[in-house]
Amino acid sequence: DAGITQSPRYKITETGRQVTLMCHQTWSHSYMFWYRQDLGHGLRLIYYSAAADITDKGEVSDGYVVSRSKTENFPLTLESATRSQTSVYFCASSESGVNTEAFFGQGTRLTVV
Amino acid sequence: GQQVMQIPQYQHVQEGEDFTTYCNSSTTLSNIQWYKQRPGGHPVFLIQLVKSGEVKKQKRLTFQFGEAKKNSSLHITATQTTDVGTYFCAGWDNYGQNFVFGPGTRLSVLP
Repeated sequence: DAGITQSPRYKITETGRQVTLMCHQTWSHSYMFWYRQDLGHGLRLIYYSAAADITDKGEVSDGYVVSRSKTENFPLTLESATRSQTSVYFCASSESGVNTEAFFGQGTRLTVV
Repeated sequence: GQQVMQIPQYQHVQEGEDFTTYCNSSTTLSNIQWYKQRPGGHPVFLIQLVKSGEVKKQKRLTFQFGEAKKNSSLHITATQTTDVGTYFCAGWDNYGQNFVFGPGTRLSVLP
């Protein structure tokens, strides 16, 4: 099915472990984004990518790494997970940047214990 | 840094009543977008406003972008239980070169 999918939907990991969240879109959208959602903060931009091999930091990028070797995939890696990274993570894509409609994935609920 | 605030944080209404949420930015925005997120769901795009003073309508929803492009509102006429969810505004801050979401307004509709 066309769309944007995230995996896993739920993840529990231990402090200090490396974790990778996957995001795949089938629309061939140029732009992809990673947000985290925490109570009281709305959604905060972690990283975004304008095209394959082009990535930029967002508001809260510390502790996160992204890559985009293919247009359709945009994995997010927590290099050494901390409890403060417990959150719901949303991946999104859009045709032409932050000034156009973004389509969100279903989200990944990550718990760091 | 730039801040986007939304009021109220929560709103409980009786079905059939009207509802308004306000979005205020500390800096000028080049555009404003509105998203709706149902409980347990993901944000879904509703609309984008670009021009100063712009007003757009979608059935029972009316969206406004302020003249100074620092505030916006979403008004729902005669709420229905299907309107339940959290409504977020978001916009691009040209000065800070950042795309920022407001914290959202959670709407509950009592049948």
